[in-house]
Amino acid sequence: GQQLNQSPQSMFIQEGEDVSMNCTSSSIFNTWLWYKQDPGEGPVLLIALYKAGELTSNGRLTAQFGITRKDSFLNISASIPSDVGIYFCAGHNFGNEKLTFGTGTRLTIIP
Amino acid sequence: DTGVSQNPRHKITKRGQNVTFRCDPISEHNRLYWYRQTLGQGPEFLTYFQNEAQLEKSRLLSDRFSAERPKGSFSTLEIQRTEQGDSAMYLCASSPSTGTGSYEQYFGPGTRLTVT
Repeated sequence: GQQLNQSPQSMFIQEGEDVSMNCTSSSIFNTWLWYKQDPGEGPVLLIALYKAGELTSNGRLTAQFGITRKDSFLNISASIPSDVGIYFCAGHNFGNEKLTFGTGTRLTIIP
Repeated sequence: DTGVSQNPRHKITKRGQNVTFRCDPISEHNRLYWYRQTLGQGPEFLTYFQNEAQLEKSRLLSDRFSAERPKGSFSTLEIQRTEQGDSAMYLCASSPSTGTGSYEQYFGPGTRLTVT
């Protein structure tokens, strides 16, 4: 099935650094969501975006709904060890209840 | 805690056996979803229920797969005659059916299936 493209595929950063990642699609979405997944667990919802151009924050996390409705961005400021994991974007369209997920960005913090 | 729960968390089975997984959604959510996730990939949609009605099924859901939600509460996903390619994490999610939050799906911890 279709999967959205996320970049980078993986990131190796030091604690305290800021992180940026993005998600792109060939088709538009009405809603974008960002999830974090730890090994052996289900994805946890971080942020939901509903309007093109919208910028939403959740603590140290900030996400943006791209104005073309074909992309979204996630920033993490001042990373801490518990930020380690895989971040997935997901798109949703009205009248179609499934979420289409991205390929994931794996975040690793170097000691 | 009233999050989504799934049982079992892990299942190892031999090829050709049948397996059944259970999902209990968040109590006030009447939408329930099943996804499958293989290693290194994002979750892929399998099927969706609104209350007890199964309203959408992916082409990934072959004839060997069946899902039910008989009373509109918990759901079961059964795989018959398992194959090694069925090895994956099976994730359940739920959401409310109305309001902006209906687009926000909350996932359970998943059931990891290994077919030997």
